Amino acid sequence: AQSVAQPEDQVNVAEGNPLTVKCTYSVSGNPYLFWYVQYPNRGLQFLLKYITGDNLVKGSYGFEAEFNKSQTSFHLKKPSALVSDSALYFCAVRGGTGGFKTIFGAGTRLFVKA
Amino acid sequence: SQTIHQWPATLVQPVGSPLSLECTVEGTSNPNLYWYRQAAGRGLQLLFYSVGIGQISSEVPQNLSASRPQDRQFILSSKKLLLSDSGFYLCAWDPGTAGLAFFGQGTRLTVV
Repeated sequence: AQSVAQPEDQVNVAEGNPLTVKCTYSVSGNPYLFWYVQYPNRGLQFLLKYITGDNLVKGSYGFEAEFNKSQTSFHLKKPSALVSDSALYFCAVRGGTGGFKTIFGAGTRLFVKA
Repeated sequence: SQTIHQWPATLVQPVGSPLSLECTVEGTSNPNLYWYRQAAGRGLQLLFYSVGIGQISSEVPQNLSASRPQDRQFILSSKKLLLSDSGFYLCAWDPGTAGLAFFGQGTRLTVV
């Protein structure tokens, strides 16, 4: 069965510093990997996805993620954090025997201090 | 362009009352449709998904049911709500390939 783990409930970073939000996954076959962001009382907004090709994927708002097949990871990164990046971030996976079902991680809350 | 509509945005219902949440998608055909529940502002739990009209798969046993009477309409229902049904319910769709899921704005349900 497919699964996603986000090992950190919360990540704190100072504005201007680089940020990393971790994600590992488990899926049979080739995964499709996604990152979403959620602001309070809102639906999820898509940030970026990995389907195939370059392991480094660039997305919205300056975010990027690196697909590492050997470590089964898909960490979200940004070189310089903004206070407005503070939100709840979800990693998601679909594919393999799970087919088209998209499974989400538990979420990581990012706090960026000014 | 495609859009997804989900309503109502908030709902307060007494225990034992029925529930009907509706989700519709515009601008696409034969989408995969999903209902997720998010408890306490954290992880999303997949409740139901549908690959076509009348085709519903349930991920977890619970007090809820789903129906897809039309290609772009997905309804979440309950005959009798429980306190534990409170949460933030999100509808989503994807085009059925490697496409990403697009989410509605969510319904915050409070069962009192």
